[in-house]
Amino acid sequence: AQKITQTQPGMFVQEKEAVTLDCTYDTSDPSYGLFWYKQPSSGEMIFLIYQGSYDQQNATEGRYSLNFQKARKSANLVISASQLGDSAMYFCAMREGGSEKLVFGKGTKLTVNP
Amino acid sequence: EPEVTQTPSHQVTQMGQEVILRCVPISNHLYFYWYRQILGQKVEFLVSFYNNEISEKSEIFDDQFSVERPDGSNFTLKIRSTKLEDSAMYFCASSVTPRDQGYTFGSGTRLTVV
Repeated sequence: AQKITQTQPGMFVQEKEAVTLDCTYDTSDPSYGLFWYKQPSSGEMIFLIYQGSYDQQNATEGRYSLNFQKARKSANLVISASQLGDSAMYFCAMREGGSEKLVFGKGTKLTVNP
Repeated sequence: EPEVTQTPSHQVTQMGQEVILRCVPISNHLYFYWYRQILGQKVEFLVSFYNNEISEKSEIFDDQFSVERPDGSNFTLKIRSTKLEDSAMYFCASSVTPRDQGYTFGSGTRLTVV
C-alpha cells in the first residue's frame, strides 16, 4: 500500500494566484512528520515546509502553508501568490516515528503561467 | 547558508564498473542518508548512517552497495558492479538528528550507466 499519495500528476496556475497541491498519507504510527520538497528542473531537492503529527497549528513558511487535516490524513501544500519561479516538481514525504527514512510521493508538476 | 555538497554532478560509467559517489554533509550534522531517483520517478530511500554504522537500509540497498565515512567530512556511496538499472540521480542528505525537520539534500549526482 502506498504510504504517500499525490493524485495530481500536473497542475497549472496563473501567476499571482494561489494553488493547492494535494497529499494524503497512510500510517498507523501516532508520531510522524510530513515534509514538502520542491525540485526545479535543475534537479536539486529544496525543503519547503514541515508539519509534525502533534503540532496543533498548521505550518507556514512565507508563501507556503500546509493544510494539515489529521483525521483525513491529508497534508496539502498551499502556495499563495504564485510566481513563475514556482514552476517545478513538488514532492510530499513522510517520516514515521520509528524510522529515519523519508517516504516520498510520486510528485506533482506545477506550471505557473504568466 | 550551510549546504550538502555532492561530487561529481554527472558521472558516466560502463556497466560492470565500480563507481564511488561523494558527499560532504553539513559539518555539525550527525546523520547521513542516500536516496535515489530514477528519471521521472519518485525519490527512494537507500540507506541512513550514524556513528560509523548503517542504521537503516531499504531493500534496494543490496550487497552491491556500500557506504563509508572515510574521514571527518566525506560520506561516500559505492556501487561495486554497476548495472543499467542503477542509472539515476543519487541524492545525499544530512540532518542533526533523525527527528530533525531539517533534512538537507545535496544537488545530486546524475549517474548514467552505459
